[in-house]
Amino acid sequence: QKEVEQDPGPLSVPEGAIVSLNCTYSNSAFQYFMWYRQYSRKGPELLMYTYSSGNKEDGRFTAQVDKSSKYISLFIRDSQPSDSATYLCAMSGTGRRALTFGSGTRLQVQP
Amino acid sequence: DTAVSQTPKYLVTQMGNDKSIKCEQNLGHDTMYWYKQDSKKFLKIMFSYNNKELIINETVPNRFSPKSPDKAHLNLHINSLELGDSAVYFCASSQEFRTGPYGYTFGSGTRLTVV
Repeated sequence: QKEVEQDPGPLSVPEGAIVSLNCTYSNSAFQYFMWYRQYSRKGPELLMYTYSSGNKEDGRFTAQVDKSSKYISLFIRDSQPSDSATYLCAMSGTGRRALTFGSGTRLQVQP
Repeated sequence: DTAVSQTPKYLVTQMGNDKSIKCEQNLGHDTMYWYKQDSKKFLKIMFSYNNKELIINETVPNRFSPKSPDKAHLNLHINSLELGDSAVYFCASSQEFRTGPYGYTFGSGTRLTVV
């Protein structure tokens, strides 16, 4: 079983829809949670960064972390065709550890 | 431009060859990484250097050897390339704090195809 599980999709939604992307994890030492967006043939770019449990909002994006359930979510409001990409969750514990990534969810927003 | 830049972007080579990928960051970060992304988009850590010191060395074949001449550069040399080495290799950098890593900045990737 992988440390971080993420539904690969593809997830196809109409423009303007609310999108919910999720990851579950098994390592209770994870404290730092991130979401990356990766366009085709590009490197991942950091979208949201959260420490420990709670919510964080940035424009149309909201990240939620529920450490008791080992579950994190990314919500995208008023989705746009330009949001079409692969979304990767990533997480890490404290100390000198590299990020552990989920396998990514491919999102397609239809105009 | 401030960025993580890696070269080459594409690399097509025959089995058995030796090749290198170079990475440079001008963000002033103190930690650099090599990740391998397979065809299913799964990103797996290979190596990490902090101020030229190797701090993470995951289970990769010893045909892969990283080298960090200074904290702004991290290169990856691969000997005796095999078909299974075909993947996209990403370099990344971050600023480590005592409590943990901040977000990574990734390069645009090197698409390696071994034929």
